[in-house]
Amino acid sequence: GAGVSQSPRYKVAKRGQDVALRCDPISGHVSLFWYQQALGQGPEFLTYFQNEAQLDKSGLPSDRFFAERPEGSVSTLKIQRTQQEDSAVYLCASSPGAGATEAFFGQGTRLTVV
Amino acid sequence: KQEVTQIPAALSVPEGENLVLNCSFTDSAIYNLQWFRQDPGKGLTSLLLIQSSQREQTSGRLNASLDKSSGRSTLYIAASQPGDSATYLCAVTTDSWGKLQFGAGTQVVVTP
Repeated sequence: GAGVSQSPRYKVAKRGQDVALRCDPISGHVSLFWYQQALGQGPEFLTYFQNEAQLDKSGLPSDRFFAERPEGSVSTLKIQRTQQEDSAVYLCASSPGAGATEAFFGQGTRLTVV
Repeated sequence: KQEVTQIPAALSVPEGENLVLNCSFTDSAIYNLQWFRQDPGKGLTSLLLIQSSQREQTSGRLNASLDKSSGRSTLYIAASQPGDSATYLCAVTTDSWGKLQFGAGTQVVVTP
């Protein structure tokens, strides 16, 4: 596709449920990032992939958060046993190279845990 | 630890006025700085990217400056329009892979 695509756009989960959020980056983009954006705040880094390798997961808030990009294109962010503090917008971004170049963001997935 | 601050948090101007948005960062060891626009319920749209070696970038009515030594960037939007109403975020790249550190944003309202 032309841009970064995320699905679903909205997700409501009951506390304790597992969720999976999908990101389709721009075709051919090497780098993929996940960010978490709380209401009224700027996005916070979660994790980074270079192709299929997860090179930085220092921003994942707990071991309930897991991300993968098995074939170096589509990525999935999984949250196990969701809690209310996980409610946020989850943003995916991709960039063409492995260096510090322009990042292109998807529309985000708004997760609400009730 | 890098801290990115945006002042003011909110701004309201009448149509036609110039907008001045400020961004400051505590660690000057950055690779680049990006300005983004975010509309309600939407993702981020990249507006301008300034490499650490550059002093400014321009695109249409937008101009962004970077003073790395003092840890400041300013985004100027000339002749504002109601369609410029959005939240503007600045972010610095803190590692060679492109990890972004964001400010909290400035919410802009341009009134007709």
